[in-house]
Order: sequence, then structure tokens, then C-alpha cells
Amino acid sequence: DGGITQSPKYLFRKEGQNVTLSCEQNLNHDAMYWYRQDPGQGLRLIYYSQIVNDFQKGDIAEGYSVSREKKESFPLTVTSAQKNPTAFYLCASSTTEVWSNQPQHFGDGTRLSIL
Amino acid sequence: GDSVTQMEGPVTLSEEAFLTINCTYTATGYPSLFWYVQYPGEGLQLLLKATKADDKGSNKGFEATYRKETTSFHLEKGSVQVSDSAVYFCALSAEQAGTALIFGKGTTLSVSS
Repeated sequence: DGGITQSPKYLFRKEGQNVTLSCEQNLNHDAMYWYRQDPGQGLRLIYYSQIVNDFQKGDIAEGYSVSREKKESFPLTVTSAQKNPTAFYLCASSTTEVWSNQPQHFGDGTRLSIL
Repeated sequence: GDSVTQMEGPVTLSEEAFLTINCTYTATGYPSLFWYVQYPGEGLQLLLKATKADDKGSNKGFEATYRKETTSFHLEKGSVQVSDSAVYFCALSAEQAGTALIFGKGTTLSVSS
């Protein structure tokens, strides 16, 4: 079955450490997204990519970095510069056919906590 | 900029009660509108969508109608079940960010038997 796989499901970060969250999709979607979810705040866009080797900052990109070397993969690195990283991170993908307004498909998320 | 406002929760209902979750939006252009559902510990699943004014999206007994005159997309279900307990998100397509979506803050629904 096609879908989005996020790993790990739970992740712990020590102070000053960078951690990388994995996101892989086999839906053949061009666009991929990273969101951060905090209680009572909904989803906020961190980064998105509409094509391989290109990505744009979302609303809360500070302290995060991404890469898009392959169509299927869009890993997110939470750097030590992100002072409040504890959250639920969601990866999504979609086609880039704006006129058809296709919805985004989501992975099951990674919960990141500080040790 | 574009935004989505949802009624704050939690919403607590008894089984078989009628559900309405209000959603209004602000947008330039002609966005598509979506409702997503999130069960505990999981990602978001698309519940329904509408791509133009007066469209009605429906799925699993849930319905929402795209009202351009009131900039609303309220979610309704005639008879809720315990299994409908989840967080519901209203979202719109944001033309200024390619195909990224803008989400409301979510409304928690709790249904008791």
C-alpha cells in the first residue's frame, strides 16, 4: 500500500544535540511538508518542498533544517538552536497540481522529547 | 494573510447526538477547504473536502458545505458515535505557499455512551 512512513515514532534529544526525523513516501508525490503540532495550537508549517533539491521555509523554520535529495525522502533535522523542540512532528505529501487542489497525506508522526 | 478559525473545544456529546463544529476562514482568491481528523497518537486523515462555493463534502456521515457568502465550512454529523472521538481540523489551501495548507487549531470531540 502507498503511504508515508515516519520514523522513529518516539525520539529523545539531549541538550546541544542535533536529531534527524525521517520521512519517506511511496505515493510518487512531488511535494512534501513538515509540520509541528503543539497542544492547542494546531499545525504550523516548518518547511516544504515542491521538487527535488528545492525547499522553502514555512512559518517556524528557525532551528530546523531539511534536505530533499530524493523524491521519496524529506528528512528534518532539529538542531540545537531550536530551544523548545518538544512537540509532535508530522510529515505530509501531496501532488503539486494546485488547480486540482489535492489534499495532503500524512504520516503517523514522531513525538520528540527533551531528556 | 489567510487564516482559519475553529470553535474551541472540547466538545462533549452523548452518543447519537447532533454535532456541529464551526469553521470560518479568511482568504484571498478561491481556496479549497478541508476537514481532517486525528485519532490519539496518529497523523491526520482527510475526512472531506470542497473545492468551490456551494460544494458539499461528505464522508462517513459527516458533511460540510462551502459557504462563500459567510466564509464558513461548518462540520456536521446527525448522530455521533463513541468512535468519532478525535480531534478535528479545518484547513484551507494557501495559494501563496504553493500547495501548503493552513490549519485551524483543532477541536477535540469526546463522545460518551
